Amino acid sequence: QSVLAQPPSTSGTPGQRVTISCSGSTSNIGSKTVNWYQQFPGTAPKLLIYSNNQRPSGVPDRFSGSKSGTSASLAISGLQSEDEADYHCAAWDDSLKGVVFGGGTKLTVL
Amino acid sequence: EVQLVQSGAEVKKPGESLRISCKGSGYIFSNYWINWVRQMPGKGLEWMGRIDPSDSYAIYSPSFQGHVTISTDKSISAAYLQWSSLKASDTAIYYCARLNLLPDYWGQGTQVTVSS
Repeated sequence: QSVLAQPPSTSGTPGQRVTISCSGSTSNIGSKTVNWYQQFPGTAPKLLIYSNNQRPSGVPDRFSGSKSGTSASLAISGLQSEDEADYHCAAWDDSLKGVVFGGGTKLTVL
Repeated sequence: EVQLVQSGAEVKKPGESLRISCKGSGYIFSNYWINWVRQMPGKGLEWMGRIDPSDSYAIYSPSFQGHVTISTDKSISAAYLQWSSLKASDTAIYYCARLNLLPDYWGQGTQVTVSS
């Protein structure tokens, strides 16, 4: 059971906007920043969003992040077939003194 | 360019020992903690622990404390994850990741298979 809660799966059609939620607590998301990672099958996770809503160089602006209270969200607009991947959220946890992850959300583009 | 390069896939028997490595380049290795993350087949990411290469101080997740050891050799910009006695349940992909508040750069992963 992961510390951060994500839906196991979601789907959308090309061009649609989808959101993925990530729920935590006051010891992690409520007091710390959130990162999002994109992972394709057989490859390592790649940083997609850092510090709640910042995109690393090279990440399309179709990807955006937000945080409110003890929850965070990843939004993908203008969905494309190449966005089909697993998406993981992460935050530092003050109680654990380590990183906590969500269980990952598998995005299917129909 | 920041890179973390991990050692290759391993196939081991239960009870055997193992050490896998993660070598950093393109940045000052001692300035960033290195984390180890497990991903079991078809599952999510699990934080195992982290080490500060500047002083080799390591912190472990309670789920992994006592079962693995994280170490580092800053002279060659390398971090290690080792087991003294592997179990079949250790079969997974293990990633190292640089910590910049949270993981930013990741190694390519090391597949560890434990089977009799």
